[in-house]
Amino acid sequence: ETGVTQSPTHLIKTRGQQVTLRCSSQSGHNTVSWYQQALGQGPQFIFQYYREEENGRGNFPPRFSGLQFPNYSSELNVNALELDDSALYLCASSTGTGVRSRRADTQYFGPGTRLTVL
Amino acid sequence: AQSVAQPEDQVNVAEGNPLTVKCTYSVSGNPYLFWYVQYPNRGLQFLLKYITGDNLVKGSYGFEAEFNKSQTSFHLKKPSALVSDSALYFCAVRDSGYGQNFVFGPGTRLSVLP
Repeated sequence: ETGVTQSPTHLIKTRGQQVTLRCSSQSGHNTVSWYQQALGQGPQFIFQYYREEENGRGNFPPRFSGLQFPNYSSELNVNALELDDSALYLCASSTGTGVRSRRADTQYFGPGTRLTVL
Repeated sequence: AQSVAQPEDQVNVAEGNPLTVKCTYSVSGNPYLFWYVQYPNRGLQFLLKYITGDNLVKGSYGFEAEFNKSQTSFHLKKPSALVSDSALYFCAVRDSGYGQNFVFGPGTRLSVLP
């Protein structure tokens, strides 16, 4: 098991609501990445935070937003939930040096939060 | 743009036989390549990665992977499969020239039959 934890484990929301997912990174890691894994698919990159700044973003709309705190834990917020947002949301932590990093730091994943939107 | 293909949705192998899970990739620069495994209702577990150097990379649980630059492939292998290896396997690539986000393949479900 990695030292990455996520909460809650499961969540059920209705369309139009807002949700906040939380992630605690592994000790010593300063970078957190968030991924969406729809059923039967590979994880899709949402965004990454390095030392409290957004360090890259995938092809997700602005209603997906995030934060990273001084202790490197992170939140993923999704506004105006849609049915297609139903997925497993994965958080991964790693060491890093920011957007121009050429290092191949391994990302260590948490167990995920299963979000169901009705 | 980076991309990863895993041409087989499902791989079935008998316990004790060798297994191969295929992965091909596309990046503009030099690739960093990773394999992860996912068990039901769990996150992804890191198996191994290729950065540079020896084309044969050894990882956790007896798995290894062979990097082939000319074929842009990074196939996962194990000499003798266990029933407990049954899971979903993901190949991921990161372009060495930009950030740290990974692009994952669609996954291959491995079933090891007793």
